[in-house]
Amino acid sequence: DAKTTQPNSMESNEEEPVHLPCNHSTISGTDYIHWYRQLPSQGPEYVIHGLTSNVNNRMASLAIAEDRKSSTLILHRATLRDAAVYYCIRTARNNDMRFGAGTRLTVKP
Amino acid sequence: DAGITQSPRHKVTETGTPVTLRCHQTENHRYMYWYRQDPGHGLRLIHYSYGVKDTDKGEVSDGYSVSRSKTEDFLLTLESATSSQTSVYFCAIADRVSGTDTQYFGPGTRLTVL
Repeated sequence: DAKTTQPNSMESNEEEPVHLPCNHSTISGTDYIHWYRQLPSQGPEYVIHGLTSNVNNRMASLAIAEDRKSSTLILHRATLRDAAVYYCIRTARNNDMRFGAGTRLTVKP
Repeated sequence: DAGITQSPRHKVTETGTPVTLRCHQTENHRYMYWYRQDPGHGLRLIHYSYGVKDTDKGEVSDGYSVSRSKTEDFLLTLESATSSQTSVYFCAIADRVSGTDTQYFGPGTRLTVL
């Protein structure tokens, strides 16, 4: 199965770090890991992606396990605007992306 | 934000009528995609295009056809709409970054088939 496994929902307090886990135990050596998020009534928005090494950008950090069977999206300081559904996706070389149900993140003030 | 527009943004139609949704990009990206999103299913790929006149089927292509005669436009057609095709449709475009294609999504079209 090309899909990943994520918790259905998570909660966080505003201004605290958030660690969103993703399991992709059957990932192949050439599959990338992409993270997208979807705010209410909007299309998905690219967050970050990686292959083997940890990655950082202005939105988040991506920590990839050494065996690549799991990864964690890290939001360093959650804000109310980060409340969204977060999708972790394996991306094959042909760019076949299979979205699962994602994790619904609630940020409490 | 990537230059992607979708039209119409909302449409209500009746069962059996043809419907065409349009995706337009100003980024000159090679790849374009059509997804549908239903409650509890996340996004599912319908069709995608890897160049002008080059298209292929996705996970849920039955009942849909696509055409791409210009780089900037990707059309999704429901030849005879059914109630099961009531959904939110998203278009995406992609440009190769670091060996993989990061997709950028449009605002979506909400289609209701009565």
